[in-house]
Amino acid sequence: DVKVTQSSRYLVKRTGEKVFLECVQDMDHENMFWYRQDPGLGLRLIYFSYDVKMKEKGDIPEGYSVSREKKERFSLILESASTNQTSMYLCASSLWQEANYGYTFGSGTRLTVV
Amino acid sequence: SQQGEEDPQALSIQEGENATMNCSYKTSINNLQWYRQNSGRGLVHLILIRSNEREKHSGRLRVTLDTSKKSSSLLITASRAADTASYFCATVTHDMRFGAGTRLTVKP
Repeated sequence: DVKVTQSSRYLVKRTGEKVFLECVQDMDHENMFWYRQDPGLGLRLIYFSYDVKMKEKGDIPEGYSVSREKKERFSLILESASTNQTSMYLCASSLWQEANYGYTFGSGTRLTVV
Repeated sequence: SQQGEEDPQALSIQEGENATMNCSYKTSINNLQWYRQNSGRGLVHLILIRSNEREKHSGRLRVTLDTSKKSSSLLITASRAADTASYFCATVTHDMRFGAGTRLTVKP
């Protein structure tokens, strides 16, 4: 089975800190995605990547950046964390560009910015 | 922006009853998927239905897709307390967009 691992389950950071959320998948998937999940808003797409060094903005990229230096790793970076970035962050990967297969999600990182 | 919208937002039923959740979306899609999320965890893929399919089954799950109405439904038959979770539809074009989900509670 494909496994998507998010490095931290819970994270508490201070306002203004630079925060790195790491995601690693072990099945050579081309596509990787970062979502945030907030009550009543569902999952919103932050960034996604179809290949190494490639990245595309999703619906809410402001305040975030990403890095994909290796195929298996997709990092989400909060350049200067703010309290409105307190959320559950979910990483996902999939095999084909058009996602004709289901996405595999990590367990999530619950980030609190204080 | 969200593509799919689930209805109802919350559903409470007794064990053994059927649960039906609906999803409406706005633009043409390649496929539509349903996911389940247990409290505070990641999402688990349940079933995928392609735009040229009208109905699909997987165990106790039945999904329909009506592309003319831009809507889908997920039916869980003979529900169990362990089915308690949030259920999300996700529409796929060149990426995947999720709705806000339906919170299903199955009472024993």
